[in-house]
Amino acid sequence: AQSVTQLGSHVSVSEGALVLLRCNYSSSVPPYLFWYVQYPNQGLQLLLKYTSAATLVKGINGFEAEFKKSETSFHLTKPSAHMSDAAEYFCAVKKASNTGKLIFGQGTTLQVKP
Amino acid sequence: DGGITQSPKYLFRKEGQNVTLSCEQNLNHDAMYWYRQDPGQGLRLIYYSQIVNDFQKGDIAEGYSVSREKKESFPLTVTSAQKNPTAFYLCASSSPAGQNTEAFFGQGTRLTVV
Repeated sequence: AQSVTQLGSHVSVSEGALVLLRCNYSSSVPPYLFWYVQYPNQGLQLLLKYTSAATLVKGINGFEAEFKKSETSFHLTKPSAHMSDAAEYFCAVKKASNTGKLIFGQGTTLQVKP
Repeated sequence: DGGITQSPKYLFRKEGQNVTLSCEQNLNHDAMYWYRQDPGQGLRLIYYSQIVNDFQKGDIAEGYSVSREKKESFPLTVTSAQKNPTAFYLCASSSPAGQNTEAFFGQGTRLTVV
């Protein structure tokens, strides 16, 4: 069964520091991969998705993620954290089938300290 | 504007009551999904529907029911059989289901049992 693991339920960084949120997936075939962000009491907003056109994917708000097949990873990074980046982040995988179901990781709460 | 509308935003239910959460989309998406979110557990799939008049159980369908009579609507009923219904419920849609397309989410409904 496909699954996704986010390492670290809480990550704390200082404003201006590098943000690194980790995501590993388990699949014999590279799935479709996504990162979503959720602000308190709101729905999920897509940050970026892996389309297989390029291993380094750029998203909104300065975030990017690199697909590494050998490590089965899709870590999310941002060079310089901003206070407004404080939120919960979810990595998700989607099977290459016709169901379209997204399987989510447990989520990582990002805290940005001034 | 296209999007997904969930209502109500907050819902209170007495024990033993059934309640229905509304989800409407005007994105012309074929597939729709219901997820439940609990702190520290990510999002878990309750039910999904790939086409009108058809739906499948997700990972935690017990105590829930759905219908898909129209393409744009996918209401979720939380029945009295659901032992612990207090949670944040998210509706999503996507199309086409089997390709590298992201899911779009509503703003969620927070259900509390009183």
